[in-house]
Amino acid sequence: AQSVTQPDIHITVSEGASLELRCNYSYGATPYLFWYVQSPGQGLQLLLKYFSGDTLVQGIKGFEAEFKRSQSSFNLRKPSVHWSDAAEYFCAVVPKGFQGAQKLVFGQGTRLTINP
Amino acid sequence: DTEVTQTPKHLVMGMTNKKSLKCEQHMGHRAMYWYKQKAKKPPELMFVYSYEKLSINESVPSRFSPECPNSSLLNLHLHALQPEDSALYLCASSQSSGLAYEQYFGPGTRLTVT
Repeated sequence: AQSVTQPDIHITVSEGASLELRCNYSYGATPYLFWYVQSPGQGLQLLLKYFSGDTLVQGIKGFEAEFKRSQSSFNLRKPSVHWSDAAEYFCAVVPKGFQGAQKLVFGQGTRLTINP
Repeated sequence: DTEVTQTPKHLVMGMTNKKSLKCEQHMGHRAMYWYKQKAKKPPELMFVYSYEKLSINESVPSRFSPECPNSSLLNLHLHALQPEDSALYLCASSQSSGLAYEQYFGPGTRLTVT
């Protein structure tokens, strides 16, 4: 079945530590890939996107993501987290080959907690 | 400017009320979206408007009625809602409804149905 999977529901890291959030997708053709962040009670902010080209994508707030076709993954990374990074992170895809307006499909989200 | 605004921020309504949610963008985007998000869940697509025409309705109950009066505005009219409709309602827009365009989200309207 076509899906977006974020294997980690909740991750806790210490401030200043590195971070990697996992995202896997299952689609016949590589979809368009996105990471969004949502602070409590807020809307979603686009961190970065991958459409094609260089497989290492730089985003806002010091985040980057790496697309790995062989693993059907698009993992989000940050070298050193800050307390303000505590939020819910959603991986999302727009499947290709769909006739009509785009449908953004979200993973279940990963909640990030930062220890001081 | 990548801002999508939504009003009101919070709304409490009874099951017999009629209310409307409003969304606005001034980025020249031609596609606009309504999502519903329950607590601790990802957003779920409700409606898509492309060039002010409804192009996707994800089998949403008729008590939710979308309207796109012009390319900058998107409304969601609410009538006879149920308590289970309480959620965060998010609006988004994108340059086009084509596949390779990112969506920008508003801050949402927190709806409580009593």
